[in-house]
This record gives sequence, structure tokens and C-alpha cells, in this order.
Amino acid sequence: SQQGEEDPQALSIQEGENATMNCSYKTSINNLQWYRQNSGRGLVHLILIRSNEREKHSGRLRVTLDTSKKSSSLLITASRAADTASYFCAVEYGNKLVFGAGTILRVKS
Amino acid sequence: KAGVTQTPRYLIKTRGQQVTLSCSPISGHRSVSWYQQTPGQGLQFLFEYFSETQRNKGNFPGRFSGRQFSNSRSEMNVSTLELGDSALYLCASSSIWPATEAFFGQGTRLTVV
Repeated sequence: SQQGEEDPQALSIQEGENATMNCSYKTSINNLQWYRQNSGRGLVHLILIRSNEREKHSGRLRVTLDTSKKSSSLLITASRAADTASYFCAVEYGNKLVFGAGTILRVKS
Repeated sequence: KAGVTQTPRYLIKTRGQQVTLSCSPISGHRSVSWYQQTPGQGLQFLFEYFSETQRNKGNFPGRFSGRQFSNSRSEMNVSTLELGDSALYLCASSSIWPATEAFFGQGTRLTVV
């Protein structure tokens, strides 16, 4: 499979804590994207990081990219119950947008 | 502006039947892609259409087909339904492909019994 692979598969934290999710991929990329999916609904684009960028911020989100390790991480700071969702990384492979298996995040209030 | 609209939201079909799902993209978006999401396989790419032409196709059997109309609305069809086709089918639209930001609909939940 050429999908990105996220870890952990599931993460449970208390409100206010930080959540870190990781994504690994297999070949060189132009960019890497992160999406969020609330239970059984459509995906929402969170952030895109290009291959020449190492870190990017958007609100409480911080994304890093290490092209030498072919990996990315998504950090959500000061988590809220509303952050409970599945998080997916996505990369381009062969002119397709390919998604990883996702990390299920549960934020307990 | 209006988001991506998928209809119907829920569908129950019997094995052997066929089904057609519809997707209306964001106005101005010419690329529409379809994904199948299941607990076991995750998000699997089905196909992508741009200006009425299928440009990319995933590894699905020929029972899965699609089309795009001149107004960019897209339909996907699954013939001879199997139990394993039960899934959430997601449509995404974007102005370019591969998308640097794909906008997803809420999905159609298909249950095959």
C-alpha cells in the first residue's frame, strides 16, 4: 500500500492536554495534508504542508514534516471535547490523493 | 457558497441490485472524486472526474462506475451489489487535482442486505 500510515490508531486524553498524531509515508511527496472527520461525516481539510516546509501553524494546530524520515506529525494544543474526531493524513500518489488509516482522538471533559 | 451535496444520505439495498449516488460539487469546482470508506479498508480512492472525463481510477471492479455532467455534478453507480459494498461513499470536489484542499460532502451511507 502507498497510503500514509498514522499512529497511534487511537488516542484518549483529557481536555486541556496536547494530542500528537504521526503519519509516515513511503515515497517522495509534493505536499502532505491533514483532515479531520467527525463520526460518520465528511472530511474537513485542516492544513497543508509543502515538501520544502518543516513546520506550519494554524490556530491550535502545529504540523511538522521531516522528508528525510518520510514522516509528519500533527499537534493539537489545549485540546477540547469538540476535537474528538478521526484525523487523517493524505498524500499524492500517482495523481491520486491517498489517505492513511487515521487516528481516532477522544478528548474527555 | 454552498458546500458539496451528496444524495441520498442513507440507502438500504438488497444484494444483486444496483444503486446510483449523486454528488453536486462546490460551484466552480470541476474536479470530483469519489471514495469508499469502510472500517476495515479505510478510505479507498474510486475515481476522479474533471470536465466530464474520468482521469484517474482506483482498484475497484468494473461494477463501480461513474460519470460527470457538464454542470460538474457527478454520479457513481454500483451494479450487482454485494454485502461487501456496504460503506460510506464520500465525494470530494476541488478546483484542481490532485487537490491541495479537497472539500467533502457528508457522504452516502449504503447498506447492502
